[in-house]
Amino acid sequence: NAGVMQNPRHLVRRRGQEARLRCSPMKGHSHVYWYRQLPEEGLKFMVYLQKENIIDESGMPKERFSAEFPKEGPSILRIQQVVRGDSAAYFCASSPGTAYLQAEAFFGQGTRLTVV
Amino acid sequence: DQQVKQNSPSLSVQEGRISILNCDYTNSMFDYFLWYKKYPAEGPTFLISISSIKDKNEDGRFTVFLNKSAKHLSLHIVPSQPGDSAVYFCAASAQSGTASKLTFGTGTRLQVTL
Repeated sequence: NAGVMQNPRHLVRRRGQEARLRCSPMKGHSHVYWYRQLPEEGLKFMVYLQKENIIDESGMPKERFSAEFPKEGPSILRIQQVVRGDSAAYFCASSPGTAYLQAEAFFGQGTRLTVV
Repeated sequence: DQQVKQNSPSLSVQEGRISILNCDYTNSMFDYFLWYKKYPAEGPTFLISISSIKDKNEDGRFTVFLNKSAKHLSLHIVPSQPGDSAVYFCAASAQSGTASKLTFGTGTRLQVTL
């Protein structure tokens, strides 16, 4: 029973390049969330997706960041033209999303993005 | 604006004693609260949760207490074990218990000493 799978675990990009982070939710989970953790800070919500739909993107920076969760395949968080300030740990979480009092989201191990 | 606050960045407790981690929140719409545990280089792991209709939830060595009037919750770990050493995040949800985005505190690093 695989958990939430994120890849790559570590990603190094030069300034101006694109970063693409992948997340496969737990089996049976249809809700995906992306969070970002900057050094010495807590996790900050970025975006909430269901299959083919963005439900809440209130935490996404207005430019350069986008997310998708296609009908087939993993969820993708894309960061275009990366800058040093994008260096952080990016965590994906999933949940079944339907049961009352099951707000627990299960997290992947994260992708650590370093922009050089 | 930090809606979920963990004012103690670190806590050191002797093995076998009780660990008490505190969390305060400001948003009255929060109705479901969770604690996550995080080891270095890993994702957060769900520990225990509580709905706003309760004031206590217990699971083995872990108990979460909720004081709605004070907008305060705490996590008690007893007895504390060295394997409990990790960063603990308090999180809150504002959508009546259904899966929704979580608002996290900044974490408390617990060190359980021998």
